[in-house]
Amino acid sequence: SFELTQPPSVSVSPGQTASITCSGDKLGDKYVCWYQLKPGQSPVVVMYQDNKRPSGIPERFSGSNSGSTATLTISETQAVDEADYFCQAWDSKTEVFGGGTKLTVL
Amino acid sequence: QVKLQESGPGLVKPSGTLSLTCAVSGGSLSSSNWWTWVRQPPGKGLEWIGEIYHSGTTNNNPSLKSRVTISIDKSENQFSLKLTSMTAADTAVYYCARGKGTRPYYYSGLDVWGQGTTVTVSS
Repeated sequence: SFELTQPPSVSVSPGQTASITCSGDKLGDKYVCWYQLKPGQSPVVVMYQDNKRPSGIPERFSGSNSGSTATLTISETQAVDEADYFCQAWDSKTEVFGGGTKLTVL
Repeated sequence: QVKLQESGPGLVKPSGTLSLTCAVSGGSLSSSNWWTWVRQPPGKGLEWIGEIYHSGTTNNNPSLKSRVTISIDKSENQFSLKLTSMTAADTAVYYCARGKGTRPYYYSGLDVWGQGTTVTVSS
């Protein structure tokens, strides 16, 4: 079955750039969404169709997808960006989530 | 502004059936969206359970096999989840969400979520 692999954790200093990867077989041939999940809150979509930002998502969030890896990049990372991030892709009539990456801003 | 609200029991007995409903307000179930269920077990990641279109077409997570039934009631503007043969592994926060648009070119992800409801499986 199709699987998406994310690093369990990523750390970044405030103001620096954070990159969160998501790997899967021929992932570049699929569209990827990214979700942000903070404790006690519902998930929020921060990227769809690889690199499109929903309204209300800051411009410092960007995305790319090529080959077997999709990447969510957060520029000028702020403390408010500390959260779990999940990638998602569609395969064989199933939505698949990655295992999630905990972004720590320190 | 579309809002979603889950309702259902917070406690289910082992081997029992979970029934959850998601009430949709501020929008129509007949729009071109996929109405979706997602869950998050304690300390774990998100798991897609399945989805339903207004036509009644469903897609479900194969890992849950035939345990899942998702239905839609357009007259009540709500959709529902039934999950049978519950075990402790099904303990999770269950979310309903809207999958906006149609795949592959017009889908913009799960853009509206309910607040989530905690379901515990225990005797």
